[in-house]
Amino acid sequence: EPEVTQTPSHQVTQMGQEVILRCVPISNHLYFYWYRQILGQKVEFLVSFYNNEISEKSEIFDDQFSVERPDGSNFTLKIRSTKLEDSAMYFCASREDRTTDTQYFGPGTRLTVL
Amino acid sequence: AQTVTQSQPEMSVQEAETVTLSCTYDTSESDYYLFWYKQPPSRQMILVIRQEAYKQQNATENRFSVNFQKAAKSFSLKISDSQLGDAAMYFCAIFEGGSQGNLIFGKGTKLSVKP
Repeated sequence: EPEVTQTPSHQVTQMGQEVILRCVPISNHLYFYWYRQILGQKVEFLVSFYNNEISEKSEIFDDQFSVERPDGSNFTLKIRSTKLEDSAMYFCASREDRTTDTQYFGPGTRLTVL
Repeated sequence: AQTVTQSQPEMSVQEAETVTLSCTYDTSESDYYLFWYKQPPSRQMILVIRQEAYKQQNATENRFSVNFQKAAKSFSLKISDSQLGDAAMYFCAIFEGGSQGNLIFGKGTKLSVKP
């Protein structure tokens, strides 16, 4: 069964460093999402992406964040200058098309900022 | 704005018994979808069950079923014959149909299963 994959599973970085989190959505899906979950808290929407551009973003998704689909399979989230409060689990999700409603989540990347 | 409320931070159930997790939501849309996701200690988000708001019939998936009360904006999850592997965080979420938008999650309910 097709699934969303994410790499790495755990990333440790120093404050101020740039990180790139990678996702491979399900191959025939058109909508892509990033969510964040700070430990012990609820899952929060960051950004949605369709047709090679951002379609919606939350207040959390400020100028230090960017997303990209560099090729036909990868979907990346870049954090330019990490802060301590960026430590969280980051989930990628994908949805097939406009007529479908279910989002399928990847296993997540745990980001630890020291 | 959409909101999702899960009023039970923690719940506990004896193995083989039944437990119900509560969820209420608010939306101004008539076309929307509701979901329950399970998050075990591995922290992966696993889809448990979905409900289309325009369908009156409650969704069921094996031991999992929902009680969808559209007028009351209530969407509870019932787990029958609870198993040790059901122990996890459970998140209720809403998605407005047709939009390019996102899922809105509740704060979650931590379910413990006692042997």
